[in-house]
Amino acid sequence: KNEVEQSPQNLTAQEGEFITINCSYSVGISALHWLQQHPGGGIVSLFMLSSGKKKHGRLIATINIQEKHSSLHITASHPRDSAVYICAVSRGGSNYKLTFGKGTLLTVNP
Amino acid sequence: EADIYQTPRYLVIGTGKKITLECSQTMGHDKMYWYQQDPGMELHLIHYSYGVNSTEKGDLSSESTVSRIRTEHFPLTLESARPSHTSQYLCASSDMGGNQPQHFGDGTRLSIL
Repeated sequence: KNEVEQSPQNLTAQEGEFITINCSYSVGISALHWLQQHPGGGIVSLFMLSSGKKKHGRLIATINIQEKHSSLHITASHPRDSAVYICAVSRGGSNYKLTFGKGTLLTVNP
Repeated sequence: EADIYQTPRYLVIGTGKKITLECSQTMGHDKMYWYQQDPGMELHLIHYSYGVNSTEKGDLSSESTVSRIRTEHFPLTLESARPSHTSQYLCASSDMGGNQPQHFGDGTRLSIL
């Protein structure tokens, strides 16, 4: 079993829908990262959080340390949001090693 | 804006060739990383570096080697490429200090025939 599990693996939505992607982890962490990977491979860091909630534009990330669970929400989804969303955790006092989930492939149709 | 560059973006090459994948960053980051990602699978760390002349193996065993002679440059070398090396290779960097975000390059998609 992976230390970082994401659900769903694939998600198809209509433009404008509210989207939630979930991440559960089984190890102690110092931070959780949400990343976005577009076709072609490049990865962008969206959020890094260790408690509570962060918001950037239409993206919201939350984490519950006690339940070892995080969610990434996208409000008013748009076709340009189509990408793979990856959850990763860093452990201990340093973030030099990330453990990654397999990613959630999001497709937003117009 | 993150500035980390990988070349080539795509490489198709025959078995037995020596390959070097280039990675450079202009942010002055001390920490640099190489990840390997097979299609539909998660990223796995294969090498990392804390600074000049520092290199360590990652969690996933790899036949590749790396060097860190300059802060901005972290090349990855395969001495004799094999079909099993076919994968995507992603380079990243981050600043020193606790809990820093990692900045990724666009990756090199490597195919060994």
